[in-house]
Amino acid sequence: GESVGLHLPTLSVQEGDNSIINCAYSNSASDYFIWYKQESGKGPQFIIDIRSNMDKRQGQRVTVLLNKTVKHLSLQIAATQPGDSAVYFCAETIRGGSEKLVFGKGTKLTVNP
Amino acid sequence: DTGVSQDPRHKITKRGQNVTFRCDPISEHNRLYWYRQTLGQGPEFLTYFQNEAQLEKSRLLSDRFSAERPKGSFSTLEIQRTEQGDSAMYLCASSLEATTQFFGPGTRLTVL
Repeated sequence: GESVGLHLPTLSVQEGDNSIINCAYSNSASDYFIWYKQESGKGPQFIIDIRSNMDKRQGQRVTVLLNKTVKHLSLQIAATQPGDSAVYFCAETIRGGSEKLVFGKGTKLTVNP
Repeated sequence: DTGVSQDPRHKITKRGQNVTFRCDPISEHNRLYWYRQTLGQGPEFLTYFQNEAQLEKSRLLSDRFSAERPKGSFSTLEIQRTEQGDSAMYLCASSLEATTQFFGPGTRLTVL
């Protein structure tokens, strides 16, 4: 079955706060993870990715952490802005398997001014 | 705009009609993927191409669905005899080799 899931369906934060969005996976063979942001009526927008041989990767205002021991992935957004309001999806691919992305259901982030 | 483009952006059709969607990938991307997304859910994989070869099809892709990428550039997804359950957002993505997939804006299909 599909292995990617999210802990919380919604997250509400104040502008300027840091946001943390979590994702759990169950397949030990998962070797590549991506976070996408999707605004209403638009396609998913690439945010950041990480391979299983890494624990942490940083981008502009975003950090992805990978804990392979507990099969957990998180996306941290620093100084959250109203423009960050969207649905965030984690997705994975399986080592040696298909190139398809397996998506979780998503977390809706709302940033309050 | 050098990103993935899809046409049309919206399609309303009556049950039983055939529809065709087009996807133009990012130039030089040899992989092209189709996904379907229903309201409140994450995208679900349908099929993908490496150049003109269709390498994988999901069990979601019934015999009413067909996808092509004849010259290894743009791709079309056709749905024959549409059903109300086909109503969804159809997303296309492309990548260079097996790397990051970049998505287009999607085609919203409504079957009446």
